[in-house]
Amino acid sequence: GENVEQHPSTLSVQEGDSAVIKCTYSDSASNYFPWYKQELGKRPQLIIDIRSNVGEKKDQRIAVTLNKTAKHFSLHITETQPEDSAVYFCAAGNYGGSQGNLIFGKGTKLSVKP
Amino acid sequence: DTAVSQTPKYLVTQMGNDKSIKCEQNLGHDTMYWYKQDSKKFLKIMFSYNNKELIINETVPNRFSPKSPDKAHLNLHINSLELGDSAVYFCASSPWTSGNTIYFGEGSWLTVV
Repeated sequence: GENVEQHPSTLSVQEGDSAVIKCTYSDSASNYFPWYKQELGKRPQLIIDIRSNVGEKKDQRIAVTLNKTAKHFSLHITETQPEDSAVYFCAAGNYGGSQGNLIFGKGTKLSVKP
Repeated sequence: DTAVSQTPKYLVTQMGNDKSIKCEQNLGHDTMYWYKQDSKKFLKIMFSYNNKELIINETVPNRFSPKSPDKAHLNLHINSLELGDSAVYFCASSPWTSGNTIYFGEGSWLTVV
């Protein structure tokens, strides 16, 4: 089955700096890679996703890159703000697959210092 | 107009008790899930149902029994609660054919004392 590794487990940056979180996956059949943000005491919410036919996707200050050959994908947050502080989860799954299951990484706690 | 709603939000109970958590989604999704998030924030899938049928059953003790009366509801019943069951339980749903974007409920904080 799929296994997703996520690094780092904690990340502290100064406001305005960039933050990068990296994930690797094991199942070459995976073709859907979402990122979720979980604020303290709240539910995880989708912030961006990428499918395997695209190498990069950007939405304002966040971007995700995918290297299918190396089986890794990354989340990039530019011009970080204190409200970006949260736990971020990457996940891998099979878009439109028969089971609709996502495997999550173990999360990265991002702290943005004012 | 909450998309995925679960109750109760907080539950404190004694070891050995039996408790249930209810979940409902109004998104018209075919697939529903239960995830467990422990104190280290790991999100681990427990069960997945598609149109009331169980399709994923991870290694979860038999004390946990999901029930899906229809595709909009997925309840979780836990027998003989143990201290290690303390966690946040998230219900979630996703479309069947439109991809695997998962929409989470607000979570149920279970504390076993």
